[in-house]
Amino acid sequence: DTAVSQTPKYLVTQMGNDKSIKCEQNLGHDTMYWYKQDSKKFLKIMFSYNNKELIINETVPNRFSPKSPDKAHLNLHINSLELGDSAVYFCASSPGHNTEAFFGQGTRLTVV
Amino acid sequence: GENVEQHPSTLSVQEGDSAVIKCTYSDSASNYFPWYKQELGKRPQLIIDIRSNVGEKKDQRIAVTLNKTAKHFSLHITETQPEDSAVYFCAAIPGFQKLVFGTGTRLLVSP
Repeated sequence: DTAVSQTPKYLVTQMGNDKSIKCEQNLGHDTMYWYKQDSKKFLKIMFSYNNKELIINETVPNRFSPKSPDKAHLNLHINSLELGDSAVYFCASSPGHNTEAFFGQGTRLTVV
Repeated sequence: GENVEQHPSTLSVQEGDSAVIKCTYSDSASNYFPWYKQELGKRPQLIIDIRSNVGEKKDQRIAVTLNKTAKHFSLHITETQPEDSAVYFCAAIPGFQKLVFGTGTRLLVSP
């Protein structure tokens, strides 16, 4: 019974390609996020969605496009991948404001 | 925007010692402060949290203290064990649905 699940777990791709990461939560939460964790382990928020609506876009390049078909899903599509996009991407969800965020297992993206 | 600073970046202790990690935040509107533990190759997981109406919270060997006036909060782990070795992140929520993390502390507990 995985609460927040994301696929794939590993993704290796060439520069210039387009790829997607999928995320689903079965917790009934209203809010979902994408975080990027770089090689130094910094966790930076990229996007926040509440009930399918974009709430926060932290100056992420527009090559990154999140899509939320319903409040249980938040997918991340990345166009024209660059070497600097290599990182671990975490999806997370929370029931609302000022509450704990539950993380998915992460997707390790490697751009070669 | 909110800025969360965390110190130290690395911390090495002997098994049985105590470990303290400190964080400061900038936005006085922040009122929820969780701590996450991330083991190697795993996801961050909540270990303890504190809200601004409380100054201290304890759960077995871990405790968190909050000083809202000074805008800092700390994680205390007593009687450390090797399985406490991990990266620890503090965080704050300054506004609507935006969890801002500190830079992380790599804790190493040697047997």
